[in-house]
Amino acid sequence: EAGVTQFPSHSVIEKGQTVTLRCDPISGHDNLYWYRRVMGKEIKFLLHFVKESKQDESGMPNNRFLAERTGGTYSTLKVQPAELEDSGVYFCASSQEDRGDDGELFFGEGSRLTVL
Amino acid sequence: GQNIDQPTEMTATEGAIVQINCTYQTSGFNGLFWYQQHAGEAPTFLSYNVLDGLEEKGRFSSFLSRSKGYSYLLLKELQMKDSASYLCAVMRWDSGYALNFGKGTSLLVTP
Repeated sequence: EAGVTQFPSHSVIEKGQTVTLRCDPISGHDNLYWYRRVMGKEIKFLLHFVKESKQDESGMPNNRFLAERTGGTYSTLKVQPAELEDSGVYFCASSQEDRGDDGELFFGEGSRLTVL
Repeated sequence: GQNIDQPTEMTATEGAIVQINCTYQTSGFNGLFWYQQHAGEAPTFLSYNVLDGLEEKGRFSSFLSRSKGYSYLLLKELQMKDSASYLCAVMRWDSGYALNFGKGTSLLVTP
């Protein structure tokens, strides 16, 4: 069974450009999360989808970030326009149905974004 | 808000035992997780504690004290492949079950 896959693995863009990151969760996982790790900082929560609905987007930094999950399958995270401080590794994670007492999140390998 | 603290770096010898501590202060506590992350790879789940006590899983064990806001990850019979970053993360029921991570502890296992 395929794990969580993310694309691209690394993207280098100039300030002001647009980048779209994609995440394919494990098949059947309703919960999809986006996290980000800026260099030297901890991994921080961005947002949480349950199927196609945004359950919690309290971690989104600002309105330059737009996440979608049309159809409740894969998700995209668009940064437009990108700023220097957006550089970091963007992780996607998924889990089955209702979290409840089930602890495990499955992470992708991350998409590294470098804004020059 | 929440605050999660763990040591930045640790070094241990192959075959030895190492304990990585994590302290946290948070509202809405709903469990503590440990993840392992090798450089350039995805974080992988190691353990989940929601009740006080010790959870053992092979060479790895994790302990939680909710009253003290404290957890540790114990790694026994260390192997070179255990060199990695170990992430402590707290789940809060009042934030949509999202995980809040510490900065991670970089463990180096030496021969």
